[in-house]
Amino acid sequence: GNSVTQMEGPVTLSEEAFLTINCTYTATGYPSLFWYVQYPGEGLQLLLKATKADDKGSNKGFEATYRKETTSFHLEKGSVQVSDSAVYFCAPGGSSASKIIFGSGTRLSIRP
Amino acid sequence: GAVVSQHPSWVICKSGTSVKIECRSLDFQATTMFWYRQFPKQSLMLMATSNEGSKATYEQGVEKDKFLINHASLTLSTLTVTSAHPEDSSFYICSARGGRAHNSPLHFGNGTRLTVT
Repeated sequence: GNSVTQMEGPVTLSEEAFLTINCTYTATGYPSLFWYVQYPGEGLQLLLKATKADDKGSNKGFEATYRKETTSFHLEKGSVQVSDSAVYFCAPGGSSASKIIFGSGTRLSIRP
Repeated sequence: GAVVSQHPSWVICKSGTSVKIECRSLDFQATTMFWYRQFPKQSLMLMATSNEGSKATYEQGVEKDKFLINHASLTLSTLTVTSAHPEDSSFYICSARGGRAHNSPLHFGNGTRLTVT
């Protein structure tokens, strides 16, 4: 089955700092890859996705590139804001009926 | 976009009572929904996969008689926590795929915070 390893949190940065959250995965075949974000007290929201090798997903200033050779999908943002404080989950997709397993999540806190 | 509505958003119940949580896909049909449990500052633990018109598939260690799942239609799945105890207090989240393709993302409800006193 699929599995994912994420950077251990918490990660604390100052506003406008550069962000990288590492994610590596193991999977059968070439799954789609997703990043989800969970704001305090809420469910998860899709942040971005990439469906094949070398694809770059982007949204709200965040980016992640599907690297097949390193089985990675690192999340990056050039200048973080306080409102980006949340927990971020990396997740490889699978077949339509397969379960999706989430990594441990990375808690991000941004200082003003 | 695809919307998943989860209700209630929070509930407090007494030990020994049962609580039902609903998960609805509002603008799409979901043959498969997933139920997760999340402890404070931890990741989501998949509890079960809810399949429309058939029995749910439970993950190892999850008591099927305690966490009853019913997926009665293509837009509704329910999770009933039976004879709740304080250790069942947690944040429960449901999700559904926005399409049949394997690259369809999951859409999540906003979660239900259950507190058992």
